[in-house]
Amino acid sequence: QSVLTQPPSASGTPGQRVTISCSGSSSNIGSNTVSWYQQLPRTAPKLLIHSTNQRPSGVPDRFSGSKSATSASLAISGLQSEDEADYYCAAWDDSLNGVVFGGGTKLTVL
Amino acid sequence: QVQLQESGPGLVKPSETLSLSCTVSGGSISGYCWSWIRQPPGKGLEWIGYMYYSGGSNYNPSLKSRVTISVDMSRNQFSLRLTSVTAADTAVYYCARYPNVYSSVVDPWGHGTLVTVSS
Repeated sequence: QSVLTQPPSASGTPGQRVTISCSGSSSNIGSNTVSWYQQLPRTAPKLLIHSTNQRPSGVPDRFSGSKSATSASLAISGLQSEDEADYYCAAWDDSLNGVVFGGGTKLTVL
Repeated sequence: QVQLQESGPGLVKPSETLSLSCTVSGGSISGYCWSWIRQPPGKGLEWIGYMYYSGGSNYNPSLKSRVTISVDMSRNQFSLRLTSVTAADTAVYYCARYPNVYSSVVDPWGHGTLVTVSS
């Protein structure tokens, strides 16, 4: 049972815009920034978004992050086949005094 | 560019101790926090904990009684020790740099190493 809640799956067709949600609480998303990670099949996770809405160098601007109260979202526009992966949200939790992850969302490009 | 590589036994017997090392190349271990994260087969990510290069650590409360992370600056390595393992500890273990304490940024990650707990 993950501290942050994500839908287990999402899907879209090439070129579409998809959104993945991440729900938390006042002790994590509500009071700290959110990170998103992309895990391609059989590879290690890779930082996709940090500080809620900042993209590391090299991450396409098709990926964007946002937050409202205790929920966060990852949006992918202009969906491409290579975006098919698992996506995880994460935040620092003030109560647990550690990093908490969502359970992950498997994105399928139809 | 900093790169990380995990090493250690791929098979550990129940009740024994899991020990893994992470070698940091392309940069110094000094000045940063270093972290371990694990992923059971087919499941999500679980943060294990972190250690600052000069001491000071923080562990997942659910694992705290069994976990130790240590740093060896002379070898540019850090290590994970997990005692009294059970089948529930079977997972891919990732080492990673944890640049900012109290954030959720973990970057970069090692490739991961699968550890199976079985007799």
